[in-house]
Amino acid sequence: DIQMTQSPSSLSASVGDRVTITCRASQGISHYLAWYQQKPGKVPKLLISAASTLQSGVPSRFIGSGSGTDFTLTISSLQPEDVATYYCQEYNSAPLTFGPGTKVDVK
Amino acid sequence: EVQLVESGGGVVRPGGSLRLSCAASGFSFDDYGVTWVRQAPGKGLEWVAGINWNGASTAYADSVKGRFTISRDNAENSLYLQMNSLRAEDTALYHCGRGGITYYFDYWGQGTLVTVSS
Repeated sequence: DIQMTQSPSSLSASVGDRVTITCRASQGISHYLAWYQQKPGKVPKLLISAASTLQSGVPSRFIGSGSGTDFTLTISSLQPEDVATYYCQEYNSAPLTFGPGTKVDVK
Repeated sequence: EVQLVESGGGVVRPGGSLRLSCAASGFSFDDYGVTWVRQAPGKGLEWVAGINWNGASTAYADSVKGRFTISRDNAENSLYLQMNSLRAEDTALYHCGRGGITYYFDYWGQGTLVTVSS
């Protein structure tokens, strides 16, 4: 089974800062990687699929990159509404795996 | 509008059973694989099981294999999860999601809460 790790587990940054979250797979998964945003008390929302494809309606400040085993989610200019936990998910092969999450706060 | 509405959660004793349902609307249900994802209180997301568009292919997390069974009824636009031999660690909010066995999930239901406790 593929294991997913994320770093950092939490971060706090100022409005306007550039924020980067890293996701690593225990084996190569090509580009089969999705990113989700989960705000407190809400259902997860798909932000990015195929490592870098932004979903319709998602602000362009969210940028996904990477392939193989190493991936990043960048928020180019952090906004107050971006406070949430972010999860990566591999969908290369079953059983599918989510990363443990990165909690993002605004200072 | 795509909608996924789960039901069937509740409180059950360890070793007991529950059957969850997910009613889908707003899209051609039989064109998509669907899945169950759970989230224990205060914890992260865990994929539970997935099924392809016609039910011919299923997959399970190791933690539920042999205890849970995923199925679907395309005539009823419904997804199911039969959960047997429930354990305390199965306590979670169970979401259904649109997206199959090797896919991402673009729509999620609000979830139904399962509590396993004596």
